[in-house]
Amino acid sequence: AQSVTQLDSHVSVSEGTPVLLRCNYSSSYSPSLFWYVQHPNKGLQLLLKYTSAATLVKGINGFEAEFKKSETSFHLTKPSAHMSDAAEYFCVVSDQRAAGNKLTFGGGTRVLVKP
Amino acid sequence: GAGVSQTPSNKVTEKGKYVELRCDPISGHTALYWYRQSLGQGPEFLIYFQGTGAADDSGLPNDRFFAVRPEGSVSTLKIQRTERGDSAVYLCASSPQPASGIETQYFGPGTRLLVL
Repeated sequence: AQSVTQLDSHVSVSEGTPVLLRCNYSSSYSPSLFWYVQHPNKGLQLLLKYTSAATLVKGINGFEAEFKKSETSFHLTKPSAHMSDAAEYFCVVSDQRAAGNKLTFGGGTRVLVKP
Repeated sequence: GAGVSQTPSNKVTEKGKYVELRCDPISGHTALYWYRQSLGQGPEFLIYFQGTGAADDSGLPNDRFFAVRPEGSVSTLKIQRTERGDSAVYLCASSPQPASGIETQYFGPGTRLLVL
């Protein structure tokens, strides 16, 4: 069984300051890990994914995440927040050894960016 | 190119009615998924198709829910005798073959279902 815990349901940052979204996962096998973003009334968009190559993963729009197996974490960061980053973010896990790639989502973190 | 599309974008129905939700995946994608997102929560897996067959339907909550993909492209999620608790956003996603633990899933905008 696999699960994801997003440690913060809401994060508020000022424009231009760093963003940190925390994620811990549980997986019996070799996990793939993803971060998706959901803007209001829009579909989920992939920010980045980890699939057992480099542990530091760079994604779109300046986001990156680091896979830490010892801590079972996959935190998402961005050095400088932009107003357009206001959205909901989901940490997601899947099992690389299972056929079908069923995704398990965390509960989401809503990001508010203050001017 | 065109992404995943879902119709209708919104559906309002009365308790006890039957509804159908449609998903058009990205052309050439053989894997198709349905998820359900309740208010304030992350999406939850419902069912996965590889080609025409349902390879994993373990997420369907009960036998009122059924999905088909007869020609390996468009899929329809069918809900019988709708209940107020079925109100949610229903998301469809597709990915290229072969579907594995590393493939990216591309999501549609969802169908927002409200059962009165």
